[in-house]
Amino acid sequence: AQSVTQLGSHVSVSEGALVLLRCNYSSSVPPYLFWYVQYPNQGLQLLLKYTSAATLVKGINGFEAEFKKSETSFHLTKPSAHMSDAAEYFCAVSDRGDSWGKLQFGAGTQVVVTP
Amino acid sequence: DSGVTQTPKHLITATGQRVTLRCSPRSGDLSVYWYQQSLDQGLQFLIHYYNGEERAKGNILERFSAQQFPDLHSELNLSSLELGDSALYFCASSSNIAGGGTGELFFGEGSRLTVL
Repeated sequence: AQSVTQLGSHVSVSEGALVLLRCNYSSSVPPYLFWYVQYPNQGLQLLLKYTSAATLVKGINGFEAEFKKSETSFHLTKPSAHMSDAAEYFCAVSDRGDSWGKLQFGAGTQVVVTP
Repeated sequence: DSGVTQTPKHLITATGQRVTLRCSPRSGDLSVYWYQQSLDQGLQFLIHYYNGEERAKGNILERFSAQQFPDLHSELNLSSLELGDSALYFCASSSNIAGGGTGELFFGEGSRLTVL
C-alpha cells in the first residue's frame, strides 16, 4: 500500500526566507505525486503535481518540487516566503490509471511565516 | 472559488442521528470524490463516483453511503452517528477519468459535522 510521510508538522519561516517542506513516499512503482495547500476555512487547492514528465515541477505561487526516485522524495520549495504562504500543506500520492483521484495524503505541515 | 458547492457548511447533530451532505460538482465534471478530514486520522479518501457509478471505495464505514444522481450532484449519507464521526467532509470534482494522465481535483469548502 502506498503511504506518504511529511517531516515536520509545523514549520516556521521568516518572510523572505526559503520554504522547504519535506515529503517521502512509499510505492512499488512511480506514482503520481501532488502538493495541496489549505487556507483556514477553505478547501484544498492544488499547488503542483508530478505525473512522470519533468522531475522538477513548477506550480502556482512560486512553489516548485523535485521528484527524486532514488530518495523516494518529493520536497516542496519556495525561494522566498511571503506572509500569504501561511497555510497547511499536504503531500499526496496516488496510483496511475483511472483511480488517480484516490489520494493518500500525508499528515500535513502547518507553515507559519514571521515578519 | 473552486466551483464545487457543498451544503450545509456546518451541521450539529446528536449521536445516533442521520445526516445527508450534498455536493454539486463543477459544471461538466463527471467525477465526484468524497474525503473526510479529522484530527485523529487526517485526510482520508472515502468514495469516488463517475457519471453515476461507484468507481472506488476507500475507508468508508458501512454506516456511510453515497450516490451520484443523473444531474451529477452527489450526496453522502451518514447514519447512526458517533462522536468519532465529527469531521470536515470534503467533496472534490474532476473532469476526466482517463488513465495515463491526471486532471485536477477541485475541492469544495467542506461540510463541518459536529456530533454531540
